[in-house]
Amino acid sequence: KQEVTQIPAALSVPEGENLVLNCSFTDSAIYNLQWFRQDPGKGLTSLLLIQSSQREQTSGRLNASLDKSSGRSTLYIAASQPGDSATYLCAVFFGNEKLTFGTGTRLTIIP
Amino acid sequence: DTAVSQTPKYLVTQMGNDKSIKCEQNLGHDTMYWYKQDSKKFLKIMFSYNNKELIINETVPNRFSPKSPDKAHLNLHINSLELGDSAVYFCASSHRYRELFFGEGSRLTVL
Repeated sequence: KQEVTQIPAALSVPEGENLVLNCSFTDSAIYNLQWFRQDPGKGLTSLLLIQSSQREQTSGRLNASLDKSSGRSTLYIAASQPGDSATYLCAVFFGNEKLTFGTGTRLTIIP
Repeated sequence: DTAVSQTPKYLVTQMGNDKSIKCEQNLGHDTMYWYKQDSKKFLKIMFSYNNKELIINETVPNRFSPKSPDKAHLNLHINSLELGDSAVYFCASSHRYRELFFGEGSRLTVL
């Protein structure tokens, strides 16, 4: 069964610190992996997409890595800010046409 | 201009009623999706259309019927609404296997 797992479910970090969010998936045959953020009561905003042939992608203070062989991805956020507080979702495009989501990590940045 | 727009944003209705949610995208994408986010915030795919052709039909009660009149629109009709249908329904679009763009969601409450 193709599954995506995110641990921890919630994380609190003081402002200014660097942090890493984790995502693991059960099948290495993937097309791509995407990271989203969701603010309360809002839709999902795409942050980064990593193709299966890539190892990492960067956008501003965000860096996402992909290790297909171990079934893991990380999202690194540098110099965290209160505006980074949101739920971060990892989603994997498996070969069955489905973008499968993890359960998310709720991030709180403490001012 | 909103890339993926859903209407209505909020829907409150009685059990047994029939309701529809509409979705439109102006990104020129060929693939559209309906996702359901339950009370625990887990996102699960329901349907996917590529060039108006149904390519994913998850284990969803047949009271749910999607319809794609053209590549830019994907509507969701729900018959005989039940309490358990209460959720947030998200529409999304993409080029096939590429980055997904989500709408703001339609919050359905069944009383």
